[in-house]
Amino acid sequence: AQSVTQPDIHITVSEGASLELRCNYSYGATPYLFWYVQSPGQGLQLLLKYFSGDTLVQGIKGFEAEFKRSQSSFNLRKPSVHWSDAAEYFCAVARMDSSYKLIFGSGTRLLVRP
Amino acid sequence: GAVVSQHPSWVICKSGTSVKIECRSLDFQATTMFWYRQFPKQSLMLMATSNEGSKATYEQGVEKDKFLINHASLTLSTLTVTSAHPEDSSFYICSARDQSGGETQYFGPGTRLLVL
Repeated sequence: AQSVTQPDIHITVSEGASLELRCNYSYGATPYLFWYVQSPGQGLQLLLKYFSGDTLVQGIKGFEAEFKRSQSSFNLRKPSVHWSDAAEYFCAVARMDSSYKLIFGSGTRLLVRP
Repeated sequence: GAVVSQHPSWVICKSGTSVKIECRSLDFQATTMFWYRQFPKQSLMLMATSNEGSKATYEQGVEKDKFLINHASLTLSTLTVTSAHPEDSSFYICSARDQSGGETQYFGPGTRLLVL
């Protein structure tokens, strides 16, 4: 069965520091992978997605993610965090059947120290 | 970019009443929309898949008679919480799959429901 694991429940970084949020998936074939961000009381905003091709994906707000098949990972990175990046981050994988359902990780809450 | 709206953004109702939540794709057509429920500090739980022109498919454990879903057009899906009870209080989020965008789901801003 497909699954997504985000091992870090919360992460705290200082403003201006680099960031890496971990995501591991379990799936037999090449998955469709997504990162979403959710601010408190808001819906989810798509940061970036990977379907195929270049394994380093650029997204909005300066985020990028790298697909590593050998490690079944799709970690999210940002070289310099801003206070406005504080939010909940969700990694997701799309089921590769006709349902198009997304399977979400449990989320990682990012706190940014001034 | 693809925009999805939800209305209302929050609603308070009395126990026993019904509440309707609308989900609209504003700049694209969506044959498939999804309804999620999110509890505080938790991930999203898929409730049902809404298909334009056909019956919704519900996830295991979700009462179809309690959470009525209608997807009458390519840009609108509605979720009606019938005979709401305090335990139905939650954050409800919809998403829409962009036909031309492959497997990408775009999410609405969510509706916070409080049942007194």
